[in-house]
Amino acid sequence: GAVVSQHPSRVICKSGTSVKIECRSLDFQATTMFWYRQFPKKSLMLMATSNEGSKATYEQGVEKDKFLINHASLTLSTLTVTSAHPEDSSFYICSAEISGGRVGGYTFGSGTRLTVV
Amino acid sequence: GQSLEQPSEVTAVEGAIVQINCTYQTSGFYGLSWYQQHDGGAPTFLSYNALDGLEETGRFSSFLSRSDSYGYLLLQELQMKDSASYFCAVRDGQGGKLIFGQGTELSVKP
Repeated sequence: GAVVSQHPSRVICKSGTSVKIECRSLDFQATTMFWYRQFPKKSLMLMATSNEGSKATYEQGVEKDKFLINHASLTLSTLTVTSAHPEDSSFYICSAEISGGRVGGYTFGSGTRLTVV
Repeated sequence: GQSLEQPSEVTAVEGAIVQINCTYQTSGFYGLSWYQQHDGGAPTFLSYNALDGLEETGRFSSFLSRSDSYGYLLLQELQMKDSASYFCAVRDGQGGKLIFGQGTELSVKP
């Protein structure tokens, strides 16, 4: 249980275009979804927290106009990288707290490797 | 703010025991957790400590000392498949977001 499905797993896009990444909670309702970014051999850096039905909360230094987050339902959160540039190339991962059973644990999507050329 | 420190890399041999330490500084404490991440994959939850002491889950155990702001992950009977990055993380009580350490890359040699 407590599976988060993330799509796409890999995407290559041209500089200046936008890319949408979806995360769906398959067997539970995720009122809150966390979005992380990870560079190779580095830690996961929290970008923003999305809450169903309200505006996302962005971490300091993250451009909210560039990384658009929508959490329109209890099972779907999306991250759109707008006007992507090569420096946006990274591994993006979503996460939600596991409800029931595994106390203290969070479940993660499988990640999206974005390459901007 | 929150900060966590852990060694950047550890090397051990198959069958051995390895301990990965984590020290943290937090404005509030809501538990220390551990995650495993293989290259190119997503983090998977290993263990969680909210109170002092040892939590055992199969070959993996995790320890916490809140007075020392310190915890560790203990991996026993190491296997090649345990080669991965291991992250300690604390929960920020405000909104429940997880803050991760820099990660420890574990290499298990034959």
